[in-house]
Amino acid sequence: DADVTQTPRNRITKTGKRIMLECSQTKGHDRMYWYRQDPGLGLRLIYYSFDVKDINKGEISDGYSVSRQAQAKFSLSLESAIPNQTALYFCATSDPGTANEKLFFGSGTQLSVL
Amino acid sequence: AQKVTQAQTEISVVEKEDVTLDCVYETRDTTYYLFWYKQPPSGELVFLIRRNSFDEQNEISGRYSWNFQKSTSSFNFTITASQVVDSAVYFCALSETNTGNQFYFGTGTSLTVIP
Repeated sequence: DADVTQTPRNRITKTGKRIMLECSQTKGHDRMYWYRQDPGLGLRLIYYSFDVKDINKGEISDGYSVSRQAQAKFSLSLESAIPNQTALYFCATSDPGTANEKLFFGSGTQLSVL
Repeated sequence: AQKVTQAQTEISVVEKEDVTLDCVYETRDTTYYLFWYKQPPSGELVFLIRRNSFDEQNEISGRYSWNFQKSTSSFNFTITASQVVDSAVYFCALSETNTGNQFYFGTGTSLTVIP
């Protein structure tokens, strides 16, 4: 089983709809992240959370919200989806202070907003 | 300002050629970490290497090698004798301790290896 699981893998929705992308992890990491990938723009940070009571905006948080329901769960919501939110979304975790800290990514969610 | 710059957007090489992917970073932190990730056509992000700012030794892993030079703020990645399976998008990333270990990614280099 994957350590970082994103659901759904693909989603097609219409403009104005509310949608939620979910992420769960079994790595026991405190830190979780949501990134968005667009062609030519790399990965851009939307929101991040360093523990259950901590939520921080990233580079491109407008139009998004998050919820850290538990250490293992970090959800990303689009309250009213718009076409330019069509992108590949990645959830990631990390464990700072370890000798080999790095980002562990989920498999991604391809979102299309029509 | 972009903290990580990957100036090469797309590169094409013929199989068995060597190829170097450039990465230039910007930080005022004295303790930081540099990474390379690979994204094959299937879309997942695969960790390749992590290097801390105090370790400037070059590293070789099979056909892959990394050249870290603090003097030029570069962390370049070379693939020797490229293979079709190396075709992917490669991302360089920086993590700074003074920003709580946030990760900053470059825009990626798309490598195509032609058989």
